Amino acid sequence: GAGVSQSPSNKVTEKGKDVELRCDPISGHTALYWYRQSLGQGLEFLIYFQGNSAPDKSGLPSDRFSAERTGGSVSTLTIQRTQQEDSAVYLCASSVERNQPQHFGDGTRLSIL
Amino acid sequence: KNEVEQSPQNLTAQEGEFITINCSYSVGISALHWLQQHPGGGIVSLFMLSSGKKKHGRLIATINIQEKHSSLHITASHPRDSAVYICAVGMGETSGSRLTFGEGTQLTVNP
Repeated sequence: GAGVSQSPSNKVTEKGKDVELRCDPISGHTALYWYRQSLGQGLEFLIYFQGNSAPDKSGLPSDRFSAERTGGSVSTLTIQRTQQEDSAVYLCASSVERNQPQHFGDGTRLSIL
Repeated sequence: KNEVEQSPQNLTAQEGEFITINCSYSVGISALHWLQQHPGGGIVSLFMLSSGKKKHGRLIATINIQEKHSSLHITASHPRDSAVYICAVGMGETSGSRLTFGEGTQLTVNP
């Protein structure tokens, strides 16, 4: 499809395990964003990639969180040593370039047991 | 105090009613976004605006930069408009395009 694709759609894992979440942005979109939506909470910004520039990591909640974007396309969000408070829906979005409308994926629902 | 505040938090309307959702923000912005999140969780971008007014079908979004306020209007509301409507602001060029979100307005339109 032509939209933003995220995988897996659901992930259940045990506390302490590492997880990797994947985002395939719309082809040609230079900007890519990760957000988190915890149960009953609003959306919060995690990290933003724009082209080859250094990413804006200011929203990452701890050093257990990291993300990379290879070749300016696919992005992976990694959470190490998961905690129960990491349970949330992780959303990826992309836009043609910065300050343009963002297109959202369906998210990955992460549950930490 | 949140940087982005929406009102009301919950809104119930009868089909056909005119609906207004408000958003106020406290910082300088590069643009304001209105998003729609359906019960299944998917998020759709409705509008991105930095001044004036935009219209798409039955939806109208306005922004007043001086007053730091935006409104989303839905004319002739329909049950399929039932969703969470989220206001988000982009904080400007030096902050990239990171968005700060309001808590959302849960809209229910009854037939």
